[in-house]
Amino acid sequence: TQLLEQSPQFLSIQEGENLTVYCNSSSVFSSLQWYRQEPGEGPVLLVTVVTGGEVKKLKRLTFQFGDARKDSSLHITAAQPGDTGLYLCAGAGLPMGPIYNQGGKLIFGQGTELSVKP
Amino acid sequence: NAGVTQTPKFQVLKTGQSMTLQCAQDMNHNSMYWYRQDPGMGLRLIYYSASEGTTDKGEVPNGYNVSRLNKREFSLRLESAAPSQTSVYFCASSVRLAGLNTDTQYFGPGTRLTVL
Repeated sequence: TQLLEQSPQFLSIQEGENLTVYCNSSSVFSSLQWYRQEPGEGPVLLVTVVTGGEVKKLKRLTFQFGDARKDSSLHITAAQPGDTGLYLCAGAGLPMGPIYNQGGKLIFGQGTELSVKP
Repeated sequence: NAGVTQTPKFQVLKTGQSMTLQCAQDMNHNSMYWYRQDPGMGLRLIYYSASEGTTDKGEVPNGYNVSRLNKREFSLRLESAAPSQTSVYFCASSVRLAGLNTDTQYFGPGTRLTVL
């Protein structure tokens, strides 16, 4: 059972379309991060959200943290082929369980593989 | 700065063979991590080291051992490889974000391991 559920797992769209990726949990996190991973490389941090209801924008990407800090979304406007990659959400500060409730450790969702076709 | 480096990039093992995956970071980070990535399962934490001289188990530690050799280096050892350990392995190091109770993790390029 994934503590962080991402949906959809796969998304194939045409250039110029909009899309939203969701990251949901029944647990409260102190913060949530979004990473992007390109083929053959490690994930790279895009954003960290820490306050319930927080919205952050990174060019055409909009990230939102749910009011209850249990979920997050990533919205991409006018997607481009360069947006293609694996998007991973990761939660920090999980209040239950000994592994993830301290400091820098993160729990990752299973990822959303995005393909944007020209 | 090279960031986080991993060797080797690719490896094929036979069942029962052993090997060590090497990781080094030049960012003076205290915390380091080993993950495995399998299709549809995201990244799962194998072991982590909060500081030089300390290591702790993560979510999936069985079949692995680690050594935090010094502040820069954190190695992962498979004593007797099994086909279930076929995966992509990522090393990461982290630094605390200013004013927040969370870290930014910096990942290496990964090691693609196949166990036959």
